[in-house]
Amino acid sequence: AAGVIQSPRHLIKEKRETATLKCYPIPRHDTVYWYQQGPGQDPQFLISFYEKMQSDKGSIPDRFSAQQFSDYHSELNMSSLELGDSALYFCASSPGLNTYNEQFFGPGTRLTVL
Amino acid sequence: ELKVEQNPLFLSMQEGKNYTIYCNYSTTSDRLYWYRQDPGKSLESLFVLLSNGAVKQEGRLMASLDTKARLSTLHITAAVHDLSATYFCAVPSGNTPLVFGKGTRLSVIA
Repeated sequence: AAGVIQSPRHLIKEKRETATLKCYPIPRHDTVYWYQQGPGQDPQFLISFYEKMQSDKGSIPDRFSAQQFSDYHSELNMSSLELGDSALYFCASSPGLNTYNEQFFGPGTRLTVL
Repeated sequence: ELKVEQNPLFLSMQEGKNYTIYCNYSTTSDRLYWYRQDPGKSLESLFVLLSNGAVKQEGRLMASLDTKARLSTLHITAAVHDLSATYFCAVPSGNTPLVFGKGTRLSVIA
């Protein structure tokens, strides 16, 4: 069965640079969620989209922005990167807007900021 | 604000032994998820518990949910080394799709 695809899988950036992470949800899933997991931490919800509109917002820094496109893929744009942004970034998808629907997680993008 | 607490956070157990991981949450929810995560890897869904009294078993793992007590347990039976991983419980809330516990880092030793 098709799963959530994230790219790139690994990314190394310098401080103050920008990064773009991409997420391709499971086919026919119209809701996408972004989570950030720091080293040794639990995943923290950043932001979610349903039908190309932002649906919920969590602890996403103002330096980050995200959007969902007409084909339902989503991109997380990160600017003025800081050392503390180094983390695993997960995308998850689900069918429908109900937050109680099970979310299916992608493999993650490991971002390292030097 | 929903809070999810797991304990213990670290667990070292011998092969063949049994143990239980606990997950408490602070506000009403009628479902709860358990995930497994290997180092640097994604979150693997273990159990989806959808109602009060739900009990699910897969191999040496069994999970249960008591929505009245706001408590879920993950019971490990006759642990084997392959179960070594970090286990997270997660609860959906109205404003945040999933709130995770801090995770239980399980190490199974011979």
